[in-house]
Amino acid sequence: DGGITQSPKYLFRKEGQNVTLSCEQNLNHDAMYWYRQDPGQGLRLIYYSQIVNDFQKGDIAEGYSVSREKKESFPLTVTSAQKNPTAFYLCACGTPAYEQYFGPGTRLTVT
Amino acid sequence: KQEVTQIPAALSVPEGENLVLNCSFTDSAIYNLQWFRQDPGKGLTSLLLIQSSQREQTSGRLNASLDKSSGRSTLYIAASQPGDSATYLCAVQNSGGSNYKLTFGKGTLLTVNP
Repeated sequence: DGGITQSPKYLFRKEGQNVTLSCEQNLNHDAMYWYRQDPGQGLRLIYYSQIVNDFQKGDIAEGYSVSREKKESFPLTVTSAQKNPTAFYLCACGTPAYEQYFGPGTRLTVT
Repeated sequence: KQEVTQIPAALSVPEGENLVLNCSFTDSAIYNLQWFRQDPGKGLTSLLLIQSSQREQTSGRLNASLDKSSGRSTLYIAASQPGDSATYLCAVQNSGGSNYKLTFGKGTLLTVNP
């Protein structure tokens, strides 16, 4: 099956801990994106990558880090520097200027 | 800076009714506009993609239109069903800059009552 997957579905962490969210795609798309969704707000771009070994900050990159060592994978690390990490995180992939495809999301709760 | 607005924020209709969801955007320099559906706690499902050169797209009971010059799009749902109940999101892909990010509206929460 072709698609984009995220794991885990739910993640719980204590404040002060780093946590890594997984995103994998087998659609052979060059571009991958991480968005954050909060209640009552639109999705906001955290980081994006258009090619392996290259990535750029989005609108709300502070407190997050990413890597793009393989075309299929784009993991997101939420660091202890992120002040409000509790949110729904969505990964997407696509061809620039064309359709974007989204994963099922990871709900992160930090207490 | 691109801003996307969706009206109404919530809509409740009886089953079988035709309905229209509205989306407006401030910067007409876009590659495309995408309509998504989101069920509670789930990811986004792409419904329709309209390229900037197109006026409308259709898929089954869904029809989306785009008026780029006025910065507006509508999603028309015919003969609504309870299974259509979800949040509908509109997003535009900007042609300015190099990140091809999507700018989203806050969504319309649709409830179709049996």
